[in-house]
Amino acid sequence: ETGVTQTPRHLVMGMTNKKSLKCEQHLGHNAMYWYKQSAKKPLELMFVYSLEERVENNSVPSRFSPECPNSSHLFLHLHTLQPEDSALYLCASSLGTSGRNEQYFGPGTRLTVT
Amino acid sequence: QKEVEQDPGPLSVPEGAIVSLNCTYSNSAFQYFMWYRQYSRKGPELLMYTYSSGNKEDGRFTAQVDKSSKYISLFIRDSQPSDSATYLCAMSDGQNFVFGPGTRLSVLP
Repeated sequence: ETGVTQTPRHLVMGMTNKKSLKCEQHLGHNAMYWYKQSAKKPLELMFVYSLEERVENNSVPSRFSPECPNSSHLFLHLHTLQPEDSALYLCASSLGTSGRNEQYFGPGTRLTVT
Repeated sequence: QKEVEQDPGPLSVPEGAIVSLNCTYSNSAFQYFMWYRQYSRKGPELLMYTYSSGNKEDGRFTAQVDKSSKYISLFIRDSQPSDSATYLCAMSDGQNFVFGPGTRLSVLP
């Protein structure tokens, strides 16, 4: 595997379910990110991790819970989601969290909340 | 005023045309500018990365930054149907990234 991978690619869940999204980067980067992408809206930054430590949490509801066990893996735990949470969830990584470092994205998880 | 503005399109051009995609921004602190291409049902893919003002060329793609006008452009020469995608601009002040909403481009054979 190369680059940034995400699983699952598609997920349908009910509002009472609990599920997790997984991201893995094979680039030797130290920073990882979760973004939400909704139709016709800019990417919304959700969480930033640098060397497994959360450095940013952009007022994301507590029904989204990130976990970064090491610099290569990132999870997003989901519970009691709402239909408006349906979106494409993108993971990205970069060499560091400095804005000078370009970000590389995974293919995303298409989430549908019913 | 939104921090980064980008015409959402869709923009339709015939194969072989020169395409011009643009973003305007309001934060004069932005110094790093990127263009990403996103195919349907895929993640964004980095196309071009430039620092400060000026031009950068890579094959059929040219990125142009005009900091005095707070305006960046991506030109695609000899456009191909495979260039059909959504193009996102992104910029950073060295700390925070901001993305535009994207322009959807269709290159018709």
